[in-house]
Amino acid sequence: NAGVTQTPKFQVLKTGQSMTLQCAQDMNHNSMYWYRQDPGMGLRLIYYSASEGTTDKGEVPNGYNVSRLNKREFSLRLESAAPSQTSVYFCASSDGTQETQYFGPGTRLLVL
Amino acid sequence: AQSVAQPEDQVNVAEGNPLTVKCTYSVSGNPYLFWYVQYPNRGLQFLLKYITGDNLVKGSYGFEAEFNKSQTSFHLKKPSALVSDSALYFCAVRAGGRRALTFGSGTRLQVQP
Repeated sequence: NAGVTQTPKFQVLKTGQSMTLQCAQDMNHNSMYWYRQDPGMGLRLIYYSASEGTTDKGEVPNGYNVSRLNKREFSLRLESAAPSQTSVYFCASSDGTQETQYFGPGTRLLVL
Repeated sequence: AQSVAQPEDQVNVAEGNPLTVKCTYSVSGNPYLFWYVQYPNRGLQFLLKYITGDNLVKGSYGFEAEFNKSQTSFHLKKPSALVSDSALYFCAVRAGGRRALTFGSGTRLQVQP
């Protein structure tokens, strides 16, 4: 039982390049989330998916897209990376009845 | 809108002393409140939560938190700090009808030997 896994662990991009961050959970959770963490700002929600087939914008969705591929997987795509997207990205999942969100280990992204 | 305030960027405490990490919140309706801990280069780990019921909630590693509705606070406490408790602590809130959490900016706890 791996919980929430994220790939890659670390990535360097040049401005304008695209990439997809992958997230998978094996806890049979309905809801999944993408956050970014920046110094002094806590975690901010980018997008979330309450259930398979649905996605909703969070606090900071601009410059990102998401895909809920199936119940297990929720990917985050940067179409044209900008230096302002340098951050640590966390994926999380939760079971609606338990409410607690469980987090992956994070992806550290540097955009030059 | 929902929001969380963690007024202290850093809390310093000596090992063996009690510790408190403060959190206040603003939310419409009944709050669901959470504390998470983050160790260096790691993801967030769940510590405890308040959904309903007893105002004093006990969690992992000897931590507890008290829900105070009148003061809209949910302070994290531990009777006797350990050096290994040194980490970044986040308070989070969501309203009952929403799924997304709003996090505070985090408080760095430093426990000195």
